Amino acid sequence: ETGVTQSPTHLIKTRGQQVTLRCSSQSGHNTVSWYQQALGQGPQFIFQYYREEENGRGNFPPRFSGLQFPNYSSELNVNALELDDSALYLCASSTPGASTGELFFGEGSRLTVL
Amino acid sequence: KNQVEQSPQSLIILEGKNCTLQCNYTVSPFSNLRWYKQDTGRGPVSLTIMTFSENTKSNGRYTATLDADTKQSSLHITASQLSDSASYICVVSGGDYKLSFGAGTTVTVRA
Repeated sequence: ETGVTQSPTHLIKTRGQQVTLRCSSQSGHNTVSWYQQALGQGPQFIFQYYREEENGRGNFPPRFSGLQFPNYSSELNVNALELDDSALYLCASSTPGASTGELFFGEGSRLTVL
Repeated sequence: KNQVEQSPQSLIILEGKNCTLQCNYTVSPFSNLRWYKQDTGRGPVSLTIMTFSENTKSNGRYTATLDADTKQSSLHITASQLSDSASYICVVSGGDYKLSFGAGTTVTVRA
């Protein structure tokens, strides 16, 4: 148990819809990063938030956006869903940052786009 | 482009046997290398983190090695158990906010 919780655990959407995924970080962790993991692949970095500011982004289009709140919980929003967005979305919390601090992952949100 | 290549893609071993997984990377600069265990449909769990100066690190029956000169790492599982069945992911950090993930090696332990 890492102390990182994600919701919902599973959801189904249709093309063109929008989705919001949520993540509560481990107590004391001020950094949250998000990853997309397609079936049979390793996770791909989407972006990272530190103290409510995005401070790093991977190769994902602007329709992937996020927020971090004062309590360090975070949201991932995806607009105009495409079939290829179907994946397991993982969030991880850490301190001081993903590249040096140990990452604690949540169990993920499984998104299916039909 | 920073890449992390893992081999084999999958393997099957008998309970009680040992196995070794490989990770080659081209990430530069290099900050640290991590091994994670990921059960099917679950989030990854950290096994080891190694910096440039560390050659070996153990976590129970898991032993990771790192050769920063050849940019290779291995994860050795000793006396495998059924609960070791999972995907093992090698992750390399270049010191910035981005992490480069391998595609993972799927290990199946059979009784």
